[in-house]
Amino acid sequence: QKEVEQNSGPLSVPEGAIASLNCTYSDRVSQSFFWYRQYSGKSPELIMSIYSNGDKEDGRFTAQLNKASQYVSLLIRDSQPSDSATYLCAVNENRDDKIIFGKGTRLHILP
Amino acid sequence: GAVVSQHPSRVICKSGTSVKIECRSLDFQATTMFWYRQFPKQSLMLMATSNEGSKATYEQGVEKDKFLINHASLTLSTLTVTSAHPEDSSFYICSASQWRNTGELFFGEGSRLTVL
Repeated sequence: QKEVEQNSGPLSVPEGAIASLNCTYSDRVSQSFFWYRQYSGKSPELIMSIYSNGDKEDGRFTAQLNKASQYVSLLIRDSQPSDSATYLCAVNENRDDKIIFGKGTRLHILP
Repeated sequence: GAVVSQHPSRVICKSGTSVKIECRSLDFQATTMFWYRQFPKQSLMLMATSNEGSKATYEQGVEKDKFLINHASLTLSTLTVTSAHPEDSSFYICSASQWRNTGELFFGEGSRLTVL
């Protein structure tokens, strides 16, 4: 059973601080990794994708991938109240189009 | 990013009736679309993979005769919940990938189904 694990939270972070979200996956052949943000009652939106080991930065977001340890993380710098949402980690083997989602981590940015 | 439109956003129906949900890719052709279901405070659960011009591939435990999927064109997939029951009440979301095997999915707005 392929799994993507996330801490459900809620993770509370003061405004302006760095929010760190973590995700582990079970399938070693996974090739593509994604972070989606989902506001309550809305559908997910893609915020970051990462395909190789190391860090990938996009604005206030940094995705980190470590395939040897099978984890992927998302850092949000200078956290804003608007970052409060559920963050879904997703993994794709690239053999097919099937994406496996974690259950998500609820992030709450404290004003 | 690519735009995926889903309709209706909300639907309330009586038990035993059927409901059709449409998913359209507005600015790209999607050979594959995905249908998810999400219960409150739960993650997205893939129901089926919809392939243009062929039968959908259903995940284990999803009844194909209850959840009818049609992908008649490269821009349109439909999900019909047949003989809906209260336990089918959920948030149904479609998604499409603009590029094959990238995994970068673009989601529709979702359809919240309430079966009375």
